[in-house]
Amino acid sequence: QVQLQESGPGLVKISETLALTCTVSGASVSGYYWSWIRQSPGKGLQWIGSTNYGGNTNYNPSLKGRVTISVDTSKNQFSLRMNSMTAADTAVYFCARGATPFSWGQGTLVTVSS
Amino acid sequence: DIVLTQTPLSLSVSPGQPASISCKSSQSLLHSDGKTFLYWYLQRPAQSPQLLIYEVSSRFSGVPDRFSGSGSGTDFTLKISRVEAEDVGVYYCLQGAEFPRTFGQGTKVEIK
Repeated sequence: QVQLQESGPGLVKISETLALTCTVSGASVSGYYWSWIRQSPGKGLQWIGSTNYGGNTNYNPSLKGRVTISVDTSKNQFSLRMNSMTAADTAVYFCARGATPFSWGQGTLVTVSS
Repeated sequence: DIVLTQTPLSLSVSPGQPASISCKSSQSLLHSDGKTFLYWYLQRPAQSPQLLIYEVSSRFSGVPDRFSGSGSGTDFTLKISRVEAEDVGVYYCLQGAEFPRTFGQGTKVEIK
């Protein structure tokens, strides 16, 4: 059974870059698509983007080119980078297996503040 | 982007009673391969979402058979035949027909 665990800073300064990692166990990252989703406090879910080992990526255009998702097979991880962070990016960030998420991590809260 | 509209936005149900949630899409989710990419998730309080139903009507591994999905094209329904206490949370539909993937607003289900 695949398990996913997000890690990264809980606090990011305005205008800086967020870097999150998702560690995968129970499956090889080279075998599937992987995605990131976020949930602002008290709000609904927003799909951020997805990728696979072959570099087939898709991003949410609403994030205006601020996002990069990549896979690291040597560590069996995938990562999210989002630049030019603002307070509106404060959210719980989830990693998941599949471009359409099947299994989800527990999520990590990222707060953006000056 | 495809817009998914869920109704109702909240639901209060007595234990053992049925519940139904609608999800309407702004365009057809029928793919050229014949599959329809509509999914249902439950997010219990303080938990991450979990997949209940994929491709309109297939239950994900471990999902009780009191959950069922139906629909086609642009209109879809999630039904719970007999609501239990553990079914409390927010239910979301998601479309997997196009990028970007999009979610419905969520339907909060509580027990009376």
